[in-house]
Amino acid sequence: DTGVSQNPRHKITKRGQNVTFRCDPISEHNRLYWYRQTLGQGPEFLTYFQNEAQLEKSRLLSDRFSAERPKGSFSTLEIQRTEQGDSAMYLCASSLFRGRGTEAFFGQGTRLTVV
Amino acid sequence: SQKIEQNSEALNIQEGKTATLTCNYTNYSPAYLQWYRQDPGRGPVFLLLIRENEKEKRKERLKVTFDTTLKQSLFHITASQPADSATYLCALDEGTYKYIFGTGTRLKVLA
Repeated sequence: DTGVSQNPRHKITKRGQNVTFRCDPISEHNRLYWYRQTLGQGPEFLTYFQNEAQLEKSRLLSDRFSAERPKGSFSTLEIQRTEQGDSAMYLCASSLFRGRGTEAFFGQGTRLTVV
Repeated sequence: SQKIEQNSEALNIQEGKTATLTCNYTNYSPAYLQWYRQDPGRGPVFLLLIRENEKEKRKERLKVTFDTTLKQSLFHITASQPADSATYLCALDEGTYKYIFGTGTRLKVLA
């Protein structure tokens, strides 16, 4: 399978715990995006990387959220001290960026439930 | 404030008819607009891209229009089929090389 892969698919955690999600983009894609989606809403931008550089981070992303993309390959998104409001689907997307308008390929997402 | 609005209510249409979905935006000047399809529990899948200097784009049974004066894009599915039932999302490139998504419209095609 050469699509975007996200792990785990589902995560249930207790409030206050830390969680980490992984995203493996399509090979050779230089752009990687993280989005968050709640029920009935569209994906909400969190952050994106060009290779290993994190170029933009949403103001909505609190200090409890951090993302990395070491060596410009896979990426991790960590949420510290989870809160019930963090419950959502976390989507990763990648693209071979050649300029504006490049399509993004999304993974299946990681569904986080904070209890 | 910046807003991307899509029909919040589900759209039910009869098989074989043309489905028309609307994407309206305010306080954006996108150069590009994309449409995605999303099935329950899955990530969005890219369908079509339209540029600001293009009035219309077609792909098989899909057609997208982009009116930068009205700040609106219309997405049409002709000869709709039950398999077209999904949520459809519009997304704008708002100039910083990332896409901002609308809330999506749920389409249900009735057999």
